Amino acid sequence: DTEVTQTPKHLVMGMTNKKSLKCEQHMGHRAMYWYKQKAKKPPELMFVYSYEKLSINESVPSRFSPECPNSSLLNLHLHALQPEDSALYLCASSYDRGGNQPQHFGDGTRLSIL
Amino acid sequence: DQQVKQNSPSLSVQEGRISILNCDYTNSMFDYFLWYKKYPAEGPTFLISISSIKDKNEDGRFTVFLNKSAKHLSLHIVPSQPGDSAVYFCAASGTGTASKLTFGTGTRLQVTL
Repeated sequence: DTEVTQTPKHLVMGMTNKKSLKCEQHMGHRAMYWYKQKAKKPPELMFVYSYEKLSINESVPSRFSPECPNSSLLNLHLHALQPEDSALYLCASSYDRGGNQPQHFGDGTRLSIL
Repeated sequence: DQQVKQNSPSLSVQEGRISILNCDYTNSMFDYFLWYKKYPAEGPTFLISISSIKDKNEDGRFTVFLNKSAKHLSLHIVPSQPGDSAVYFCAASGTGTASKLTFGTGTRLQVTL
């Protein structure tokens, strides 16, 4: 059982819709991450939050908007996505952003853009 | 520029034998290395890690070896079990880019009966 919970597991949306992906962890971790993974490719980092503040944005288009309401929750707001944004979106957390901290992943949200 | 490489996209091993998965990296600033296992429809599961001050770390059936001079690490699974069949990702991070993992492209391991 994963200790990082992501909802929904699957999401189909049109290009004009607005939706949100949610991630929750109760391990007391202070760093949280969003990754995007395309088929047969490794995960690609999108955003990093440390102590509820955005610390890394990997030049992600503004149609993806992250939010960290508190230390346990991480959201990814989606608006006006493109078909090429269809992918598995993974959330991860680690104790903090210090070195030598493994990241623990959720099972992801599989997103399909029509 | 692929800084972490897993040159074998797939590997087939008989149950009970040793599985050896390899990973090479190019960035000398990397000092922390991890292995993740991924089943279909699940997220990556952390398996084992090693910091650059060590050359070996062991956890049950899993051992990771690090050769810093060759910029090479490997994961040994002994004995291999059918439940080990999954995609294995090598990942690396550096002190200057703490918590920013760079992943390899993955190796699909098939453990046969």
